[in-house]
Amino acid sequence: DTAVSQTPKYLVTQMGNDKSIKCEQNLGHDTMYWYKQDSKKFLKIMFSYNNKELIINETVPNRFSPKSPDKAHLNLHINSLELGDSAVYFCASSQASRGGRNEQFFGPGTRLTVL
Amino acid sequence: GDSVTQMEGPVTLSEEAFLTINCTYTATGYPSLFWYVQYPGEGLQLLLKATKADDKGSNKGFEATYRKETTSFHLEKGSVQVSDSAVYFCALRNSGGSNYKLTFGKGTLLTVNP
Repeated sequence: DTAVSQTPKYLVTQMGNDKSIKCEQNLGHDTMYWYKQDSKKFLKIMFSYNNKELIINETVPNRFSPKSPDKAHLNLHINSLELGDSAVYFCASSQASRGGRNEQFFGPGTRLTVL
Repeated sequence: GDSVTQMEGPVTLSEEAFLTINCTYTATGYPSLFWYVQYPGEGLQLLLKATKADDKGSNKGFEATYRKETTSFHLEKGSVQVSDSAVYFCALRNSGGSNYKLTFGKGTLLTVNP
């Protein structure tokens, strides 16, 4: 069974469209994340939810809106897509703890291409 | 803020060569340190980790030691294989508050030739 799954794996769309990427984890973790990996492979945190509560919101355009309907899901909705949004988006999850020692498990990524 | 600096790639080695990928960090407090690996077309997998000073993480022949005095966590492997070809990311996770995010280095592409 896949621990962290994302759909779709590939997403090609036109500028100005609105799209969503879904993420689900079956590990029983209480914290989920979205990371963006640019064309140079640089990875940066976008959002994090702990028990459905937003705890990290980095400097991300407000066209990006995460939604966590329950602890096992964290979806990413993007409005008015721009060329610069083209990237690979990774979802991850972990069990929160003091000291931040717990491993984050990553999904396979969603490659978004905006034309 | 927290930051991770790792050696620029790409790194190209022959099979059975010795590998070192340097990683240094800047952080307040006592971060945990990680190496993640990303094989072509796949997501990230944890390779190894260390949670306190002088800890050594090891997995699949890779090792890294948490050196607080030099703020480093260099990745080493004595004899690389073609199957080790991937992008390697050094990362830290700080212990402050409820912020559990990983801060990544820029990644190092390793190519191992037969």
